Amino acid sequence: TQLLEQSPQFLSIQEGENLTVYCNSSSVFSSLQWYRQEPGEGPVLLVTVVTGGEVKKLKRLTFQFGDARKDSSLHITAAQPGDTGLYLCAGAAGGGADGLTFGKGTHLIIQP
Amino acid sequence: NAGVTQTPKFQVLKTGQSMTLQCAQDMNHEYMSWYRQDPGMGLRLIHYSVGAGITDQGEVPNGYNVSRSTTEDFPLRLLSAAPSQTSVYFCASSWTYRADQPQHFGDGTRLSIL
Repeated sequence: TQLLEQSPQFLSIQEGENLTVYCNSSSVFSSLQWYRQEPGEGPVLLVTVVTGGEVKKLKRLTFQFGDARKDSSLHITAAQPGDTGLYLCAGAAGGGADGLTFGKGTHLIIQP
Repeated sequence: NAGVTQTPKFQVLKTGQSMTLQCAQDMNHEYMSWYRQDPGMGLRLIHYSVGAGITDQGEVPNGYNVSRSTTEDFPLRLLSAAPSQTSVYFCASSWTYRADQPQHFGDGTRLSIL
């Protein structure tokens, strides 16, 4: 069974601060996705990273896939209250149909 | 464009009762799946389907049945509800069966088993 460990589990910071969320595994993934989930709603895809070492930017969010494709990080610059939510990483082991392996998530609270 | 629609949004059952959670998508997606989300456990795959008439088991299939008679619908059946099945259930769909495709999730069904 492939596992994805996310850290930290909980993070509460002030508006304007920077933060990084980590997603680590001992297994290799063919791709990794980051989702954001708000209370009472389903996860919404933020980004998919496929190539080892790949960096993708989405406004103030920067996503990186590790060179060995075993880990990923999400960095938020100048966090805003609207960034509050549950951030989930999810890995695909290959091209198969047996779904994604999800991390347990990082609960992020940005205080005004 | 409704996307993925799940009904009901909330449900309370007694132990031993059966019920069906409905999931419908209007994006003509081939791949559909069911996950359950529990505190401290993350999202875990229950069953999935790569197309109409084809279903398979995920990580935690026991106590659940699925069928896929049409491309649009993928209902999840609880055969005899148990308190351990108290959870939030999410249906997801994507264009193809490849797990690296973006998954589109519904807003979930919150199920309590007493």
